[in-house]
Amino acid sequence: GEDVEQSLFLSVREGDSSVINCTYTDSSSTYLYWYKQEPGAGLQLLTYIFSNMDMKQDQRLTVLLNKKDKHLSLRIADTQTGDSAIYFCAESASGNTPLVFGKGTRLSVIA
Amino acid sequence: EPEVTQTPSHQVTQMGQEVILRCVPISNHLYFYWYRQILGQKVEFLVSFYNNEISEKSEIFDDQFSVERPDGSNFTLKIRSTKLEDSAMYFCASTLGLPQVEQFFGPGTRLTVL
Repeated sequence: GEDVEQSLFLSVREGDSSVINCTYTDSSSTYLYWYKQEPGAGLQLLTYIFSNMDMKQDQRLTVLLNKKDKHLSLRIADTQTGDSAIYFCAESASGNTPLVFGKGTRLSVIA
Repeated sequence: EPEVTQTPSHQVTQMGQEVILRCVPISNHLYFYWYRQILGQKVEFLVSFYNNEISEKSEIFDDQFSVERPDGSNFTLKIRSTKLEDSAMYFCASTLGLPQVEQFFGPGTRLTVL
């Protein structure tokens, strides 16, 4: 079945860039998403990328997609303490179909 | 900005009791979903709903679970006879449908089964 894998932890210093990585197995994944979850809160959609794109930039966020390797990354420039959260990678076959999530990467930002 | 809302934020129940979790999706959205997240684990899909019927469900969504859209705004998840292992955060999500592909999530309901 479909699977999405992420490393569990990442620690960076404030002001540095963070790169969170994700791999997925389903070659029919059409849309790939990044969600942010702060402690005790819901899932906030950060960005998504369509599988025919290599890169998408949105302010401090850059998403890179290597479709051949089924590898997705989220780069956060100038990481702030407010970026400390769990970041989930998710994929969907068609945009309306259910999301398959990774286990999430806990980002800790050290001041 | 429109958002998905969920009530209650926290529900405590005894094992074997029925619970109903409520969601109000974004008003013009057409696809609705329930997901759950057991503490410390990944978010798992339960069920999707479109055009007043279930469009897809996971293995988790057994006969103990049901969903309903009783009116034009609410979307509910009922668990008939709760088990300890149903304790989790339950998220409702909605999307407009293609070409819009963003699924927007509610803040969740934390269900604790004692």
